[in-house]
Amino acid sequence: GDSVTQMEGPVTLSEEAFLTINCTYTATGYPSLFWYVQYPGEGLQLLLKATKADDKGSNKGFEATYRKETTSFHLEKGSVQVSDSAVYFCALREPSGTYKYIFGTGTRLKVLA
Amino acid sequence: GAVVSQHPSWVICKSGTSVKIECRSLDFQATTMFWYRQFPKQSLMLMATSNEGSKATYEQGVEKDKFLINHASLTLSTLTVTSAHPEDSSFYICSARTQLGGKNEAFFGQGTRLTVV
Repeated sequence: GDSVTQMEGPVTLSEEAFLTINCTYTATGYPSLFWYVQYPGEGLQLLLKATKADDKGSNKGFEATYRKETTSFHLEKGSVQVSDSAVYFCALREPSGTYKYIFGTGTRLKVLA
Repeated sequence: GAVVSQHPSWVICKSGTSVKIECRSLDFQATTMFWYRQFPKQSLMLMATSNEGSKATYEQGVEKDKFLINHASLTLSTLTVTSAHPEDSSFYICSARTQLGGKNEAFFGQGTRLTVV
């Protein structure tokens, strides 16, 4: 079945460091890809998404490119802030129309001042 | 953006009792709601898909008699954990699908942490 593999955390960075969180997927067809963020005590918030190959999603300085050839959707940010500390989930939505999401295990990011 | 509210945010209950968790879409109608479960250090796993006015569709391995889902209106779905046991302790999160403004997205609640003692 479809699956999402995400790098394990936690990831600890200093403020203004470069961030990469790797995500690869296995899917039949052409899924949509998402990054969600979960701040402490809160629900999931959509960070960015891409719906087809070579699309780049971006938001709040984060970006990720849908790479069909490598089945990847790595999350990057050029300069992280303390406020970016959270858990980041990579997910795919199956193209079947069922609206079923498959999530990765989540990566906890801690940014130190 | 669309808001999904989940209640309660956390609950502690005694083993053998039942717990109801509510999921409300506050500013949109959700024809479909989804219930997920998250074990510590693991990902969210889809438990069931709930369509308004019809029976929920459960994922393989999820006991439908234990996790009762009701989606009686376009803005409310409830998950009842019946005869809860410590192994049911987990983080439960719902999402609601909307097609507002041409967007086709699912919005998530803040989750409910259930602890069964």
